[in-house]
Amino acid sequence: QKEVEQDPGPLSVPEGAIVSLNCTYSNSAFQYFMWYRQYSRKGPELLMYTYSSGNKEDGRFTAQVDKSSKYISLFIRDSQPSDSATYLCAMSPGTIQGAQKLVFGQGTRLTINP
Amino acid sequence: DTEVTQTPKHLVMGMTNKKSLKCEQHMGHRAMYWYKQKAKKPPELMFVYSYEKLSINESVPSRFSPECPNSSLLNLHLHALQPEDSALYLCASSPKNPALDRTGVHYNEQFFGPGTRLTVL
Repeated sequence: QKEVEQDPGPLSVPEGAIVSLNCTYSNSAFQYFMWYRQYSRKGPELLMYTYSSGNKEDGRFTAQVDKSSKYISLFIRDSQPSDSATYLCAMSPGTIQGAQKLVFGQGTRLTINP
Repeated sequence: DTEVTQTPKHLVMGMTNKKSLKCEQHMGHRAMYWYKQKAKKPPELMFVYSYEKLSINESVPSRFSPECPNSSLLNLHLHALQPEDSALYLCASSPKNPALDRTGVHYNEQFFGPGTRLTVL
């Protein structure tokens, strides 16, 4: 069993739809939960992060963490064609020796159709 | 300067060649990372340098040799690679002090470069 599981998709939705992306994990030591967005031929960029359980909202994006179920979600409201990318969840137990070891999910390829 | 740069963007090499990948950041970050990403797969951590010292080596074959000459520069030396080593090699860096968001949570963002696309023939 992988430490972090994420449905690779692909996921295709019409513009304006609400998108839900999810990851499950098995390591209870994870405390930091992140969502990265990666456009084709680019490096990943941090979109959202959450510490421990709870919700976090930033504009059209909402991140949720349920540590009891070991389940995290990213919701995108009013999706735009520019949101088309691969979304990677990533998790970490915290900083060790000044560095943070991230474990990534498989990534979900998302396409928003105009 | 708020970015991580990587050179070259593309590299094609034979199995007997020796080449190097270069990564640079001028954000004052003291942790730097090398990741390997195969097509349609997530990044896999290879090495971590913290304060110019190797702190994590994820059991990477010795044909990959990292080097951190100073706090701004990270190299990955390649020798006798195999075709299955063809991938996107990503460099990242993170600050020495975590940032504090408006809710009082500390977080340590990793900033990624655009990557070097390596093809081994």
